[in-house]
Amino acid sequence: GQQVMQIPQYQHVQEGEDFTTYCNSSTTLSNIQWYKQRPGGHPVFLIQLVKSGEVKKQKRLTFQFGEAKKNSSLHITATQTTDVGTYFCAGGGNTPLVFGKGTRLSVIA
Amino acid sequence: NAGVTQTPKFQVLKTGQSMTLQCAQDMNHNSMYWYRQDPGMGLRLIYYSASEGTTDKGEVPNGYNVSRLNKREFSLRLESAAPSQTSVYFCASSAVGGHRHQYFGAGTRLSVL
Repeated sequence: GQQVMQIPQYQHVQEGEDFTTYCNSSTTLSNIQWYKQRPGGHPVFLIQLVKSGEVKKQKRLTFQFGEAKKNSSLHITATQTTDVGTYFCAGGGNTPLVFGKGTRLSVIA
Repeated sequence: NAGVTQTPKFQVLKTGQSMTLQCAQDMNHNSMYWYRQDPGMGLRLIYYSASEGTTDKGEVPNGYNVSRLNKREFSLRLESAAPSQTSVYFCASSAVGGHRHQYFGAGTRLSVL
């Protein structure tokens, strides 16, 4: 079945440093979604990418969808303590979303 | 609107006990899902209901049953709880399958002793 791999599993950064998490699918995706889960909280939808090569920005967050629609990345510029949490990618299509295992981001002030 | 509401928020069970986790959404969504989240394992799909009247197994269905009671409600039942079912359980809903994003409930933290 479809698998979505996400790396790294953990990332510790100093406040102000950049952060990137990568997502790779074993199959071509119809869309890729990104979620954020704060410690002790529940996943919250951030964004969906649908088109090959698509790039979307939300303030300091930049999301990319690969040309082959099999990989994606989330880049955070100049991390802040409010960015702490686990970031999940999820591959969508005709079947239920398949979530990656997530990247847990810690930000050291 | 409350979104997705899960009850209870916390539960402690003894091995062999049964319980039902309740989930309700007020967004008129067709699809609903149950996940479990364990450290380092991400979100694993237990069961889902693409529309009212249908349910399907996900990645880890063993030891669980579900009921799509109506369009709003989707319950998860543990018939005979085991320590391996200690986890955080999330219910989610979406407008249509994998094409729309999911809204998650606050979760149920379950411990089986």
